[in-house]
Amino acid sequence: GQQVMQIPQYQHVQEGEDFTTYCNSSTTLSNIQWYKQRPGGHPVFLIQLVKSGEVKKQKRLTFQFGEAKKNSSLHITATQTTDVGTYFCAGIYGSARQLTFGSGTQLTVLP
Amino acid sequence: DSGVTQTPKHLITATGQRVTLRCSPRSGDLSVYWYQQSLDQGLQFLIQYYNGEERAKGNILERFSAQQFPDLHSELNLSSLELGDSALYFCASSLGTVDGYTFGSGTRLTVV
Repeated sequence: GQQVMQIPQYQHVQEGEDFTTYCNSSTTLSNIQWYKQRPGGHPVFLIQLVKSGEVKKQKRLTFQFGEAKKNSSLHITATQTTDVGTYFCAGIYGSARQLTFGSGTQLTVLP
Repeated sequence: DSGVTQTPKHLITATGQRVTLRCSPRSGDLSVYWYQQSLDQGLQFLIQYYNGEERAKGNILERFSAQQFPDLHSELNLSSLELGDSALYFCASSLGTVDGYTFGSGTRLTVV
């Protein structure tokens, strides 16, 4: 079946360092969404990317969708302890009506 | 409060039993999705309903079933429970099928 691969699985950074998580699909995605799940919480929608090569920014977060619409990345500049959590990418394939989630990257920020 | 309500928050039950998880979507959202989250499997899609009709099915076991009622709330029924069914079950809703999802706080099911 279609899968979205996400790396790394875990990332520990010092507060103030940058962080990046990557998602890869073997087939073209219609769109990709990003979610954040705090420890003990539920996934919260961050953003959706639809166009090839699209780049969107939310304060310190930068989201990119690859030209071939097969990969995406989330980059956080100057991490803060409030950034702690698991970041998931999730894509829609073709005419499918549901999101396929990546395995997530668990971010730990050390003060 | 995300606007998606899931009950109960916690459920402990024995193997072989049957349970029902309930979800009320965010006001105005027509799509309801059920996902299972376990430590080694991530977020696995189970089933989707749109305005009362089943729209998509994932790797949902035959022991599991779901429905969406006219008032758009949804129930996920899990029967003949096994230890491996222990997981967090999330309900999510969206306005359409290509919008961001709003997740509920989940039901943590423990089968003993």
